[in-house]
Amino acid sequence: ILNVEQSPQSLHVQEGDSTNFTCSFPSSNFYALHWYRWETAKSPEALFVMTLNGDEKKKGRISATLNTKEGYSYLYIKGSQPEDSATYLCASSSGTGGFKTIFGAGTRLFVKA
Amino acid sequence: EAGVTQFPSHSVIEKGQTVTLRCDPISGHDNLYWYRRVMGKEIKFLLHFVKESKQDESGMPNNRFLAERTGGTYSTLKVQPAELEDSGVYFCASSQDGTGVEKLFFGSGTQLSVL
Repeated sequence: ILNVEQSPQSLHVQEGDSTNFTCSFPSSNFYALHWYRWETAKSPEALFVMTLNGDEKKKGRISATLNTKEGYSYLYIKGSQPEDSATYLCASSSGTGGFKTIFGAGTRLFVKA
Repeated sequence: EAGVTQFPSHSVIEKGQTVTLRCDPISGHDNLYWYRRVMGKEIKFLLHFVKESKQDESGMPNNRFLAERTGGTYSTLKVQPAELEDSGVYFCASSQDGTGVEKLFFGSGTQLSVL
């Protein structure tokens, strides 16, 4: 059974703080690791897709790393802004033959001005 | 280019009633997925269409749920009869290649409340 775990469940930070979240996933039959950003009542939006061990991706103040051998990924936000407030979802695509994308429960980030 | 659209955005029904959710994927996307998120929990996979065929429906909770994708275009998800535990946000997503390494394009979801 595949299980994607995210921590923390929620996080409250002050504007300007840097923060990071963790996603752990089963490392067997791994295809890809996805990060999505989801604001309530809007569509989850893809941030990164990573496939190779050691991959690092960056988009503005947000970056992510991937360790496929130990099955974890970190998402970093530098200098958090109120508009970064959202739920950050991690998803792992894996399988044999076909694949399945399994999501974690997300980390809810609140950035206070 | 239009994104993935879902209708309705909200639905409130009573236990035992029937509800039909609709998803229009991005034009040209053969792969269409349904997911459900119960409050505070993970987004759970329901099923995956490739064109009009069900590629994987292992996540469908029971036979009260019926998904169709006529002609390989839009998809509907019908819940009949609805139960309290069916409440949640139902997401639809689409992708072009279905390779697992491409990003999914999501709709904004249908919030279903069963009273």
